[in-house]
Amino acid sequence: DAGVTQSPTHLIKTRGQQVTLRCSPKSGHDTVSWYQQALGQGPQFIFQYYEEEERQRGNFPDRFSGHQFPNYSSELNVNALLLGDSALYLCASSFSLYEQYFGPGTRLTVT
Amino acid sequence: QQQVKQSPQSLIVQKGGIPIINCAYENTAFDYFPWYQQFPGKGPALLIAIRPDVSEKKEGRFTISFNKSAKQFSLHIMDSQPGDSATYFCAAKKGFNTGTASKLTFGTGTRLQVTL
Repeated sequence: DAGVTQSPTHLIKTRGQQVTLRCSPKSGHDTVSWYQQALGQGPQFIFQYYEEEERQRGNFPDRFSGHQFPNYSSELNVNALLLGDSALYLCASSFSLYEQYFGPGTRLTVT
Repeated sequence: QQQVKQSPQSLIVQKGGIPIINCAYENTAFDYFPWYQQFPGKGPALLIAIRPDVSEKKEGRFTISFNKSAKQFSLHIMDSQPGDSATYFCAAKKGFNTGTASKLTFGTGTRLQVTL
């Protein structure tokens, strides 16, 4: 049984560019949440998707957007990248409201 | 606004010791408290979780103690091993019982080193 998978593993982008990160949830899970983890910090909640709709959003600007597909996989898009967007982006999946299981993350570096 | 405060920031114990990591929360609506373990370059892995209707939960060498009146909870690692060296995060969530959408709010993490 595959766990949560994320792609790509690492990504280097330039300021002002746009990036798309992808997540496939654990089998049987229907809810995907995205978190941003800066170096040495705890993960910060970006948003959560359920039934292809954004159900809850954290304190992140509109430059951060997402999507959930009918197969429950999800994308995180970040526009107009800033240096401060450099972080580990984590996807977590769950069955409805229960335990969240995290993927390995995508390390984004903005130069 | 930090809703979950975690201490200490770092901890060094000898093999076999019992490291204790503490967390305190402010929001009484929180009703689910998990602990995650994270190794460098990896995503957080769920270790153990507790609901506020119990005061203690054990899973293997990991124990959570929960004090609802003090709004505090802690993780104890029995017989710690060098392989336990990692960063540990407490977290809190609300809406477990109400069926509402809910995010995890994390503490700032504790970097644990277990020496030989």
